[in-house]
Amino acid sequence: QITLRESGPTLVKPTQTLTLTCTFSGFSLSTSGVGVGWIRQPPQKALEWLAVIYWDDDKRYRPSLKSRLTITKDTSKNQVVLTMTNMDPVDTATYYCARKWELGWFDPWGQGTLVTVSS
Amino acid sequence: DIQMTQSPSSLSASVGDRVTITCRASQSVSSYLHWYQQKPGEAPKLLIFAASRLQSGVPSRFSGSGSGTDFSLTISSLQPEDFATYYCQQSYSNIFTFGPGTKVDIK
Repeated sequence: QITLRESGPTLVKPTQTLTLTCTFSGFSLSTSGVGVGWIRQPPQKALEWLAVIYWDDDKRYRPSLKSRLTITKDTSKNQVVLTMTNMDPVDTATYYCARKWELGWFDPWGQGTLVTVSS
Repeated sequence: DIQMTQSPSSLSASVGDRVTITCRASQSVSSYLHWYQQKPGEAPKLLIFAASRLQSGVPSRFSGSGSGTDFSLTISSLQPEDFATYYCQQSYSNIFTFGPGTKVDIK
């Protein structure tokens, strides 16, 4: 059974850096073709893909946020970490991580973590 | 980036109705198109992958079709548990994009 769980702060101040950790089980990020992605959803709005990291350490980012995002993995700990710099109130959202399959769908998803950006 | 649109943005339907949601890509995505269901307060759940392949455990009343730029998700007989928001997502490009969602509620 594959599970993922997001963890990190629930509240960050504007200009601060957000660090979120995705801890997963049931698969290995050293297996060819495997990826883990981050997706966010502002309150009452649509899903927005942020970043993905692959088994070979290839990384892709949402172009509009590329300068602010960094995704890394720790294969031994089964963790993927997303950092987002210079947080702004518009970054308030539920942040999800999910396993990415080779042909591109995300399944399953973690339960999500709500991050509020406010002073 | 490949832009995704969905129509309608919302619809009201009754239990037992046949419901079809459409998704259009700004350029061809071949069959790299996937559908998710999201209920309030929950994470999205994969329904259909590769345009028409039913995810394990998903009821057969859900089906997907299309290729290229035009896709559809059909619920053959709407059930109470199907009232939710549905999103399409393309993975043809390595810059993944989701549609804006279609909310299905009770008439």
